[in-house]
Amino acid sequence: NAGVTQTPKFRILKIGQSMTLQCTQDMNHNYMYWYRQDPGMGLKLIYYSVGAGITDKGEVPNGYNVSRSTTEDFPLRLELAAPSQTSVYFCASFGIVLGGYTFGSGTRLTVV
Amino acid sequence: RKEVEQDPGPFNVPEGATVAFNCTYSNSASQSFFWYRQDCRKEPKLLMSVYSSGNEDGRFTAQLNRASQYISLLIRDSKLSDSATYLCVASNNNDMRFGAGTRLTVKP
Repeated sequence: NAGVTQTPKFRILKIGQSMTLQCTQDMNHNYMYWYRQDPGMGLKLIYYSVGAGITDKGEVPNGYNVSRSTTEDFPLRLELAAPSQTSVYFCASFGIVLGGYTFGSGTRLTVV
Repeated sequence: RKEVEQDPGPFNVPEGATVAFNCTYSNSASQSFFWYRQDCRKEPKLLMSVYSSGNEDGRFTAQLNRASQYISLLIRDSKLSDSATYLCVASNNNDMRFGAGTRLTVKP
């Protein structure tokens, strides 16, 4: 059981480039989330989804987009990368049985 | 004001010590509460849920005070392996808000 899988693990982008962070879960969870974590800070919610076809903004959505075409996949898109988007990005899914989030291992993104 | 506030620490304690972390949340509509553990450069992992009646899991005890909007985590008989950052979480309808974390270092 893989849980939540994120790719890539590391990426360096130039200012203005775009990229997609991939997230896949195999637990059939409806709820999925994207967070960013800056050094020494807590996690801030970027976007979330309560099911396929439904997405909503979190605390810090500017500069990002998401889609949820299937239950398994919840990719995060950066269109015009900026240095302020340098961070660690975590994808998570929520399952009632566990009572909490299961996180992916994170993507370390640096924008230069 | 942050939605979930924690003392950032760091807490440096010797092995075998008892250490307590506190957390306050501002959203009175929060319904569920959790403690997560995050090791350096790793993803957060669920440590335990927090219930109004208080709950215990081995050396770990969590308490919730809804009237004061306060959550606590007590670790007894600290081990070296307990060294990590502990994140407090308050949730309202699956919108989870994280504290910035409290860093714990347990020393020999």
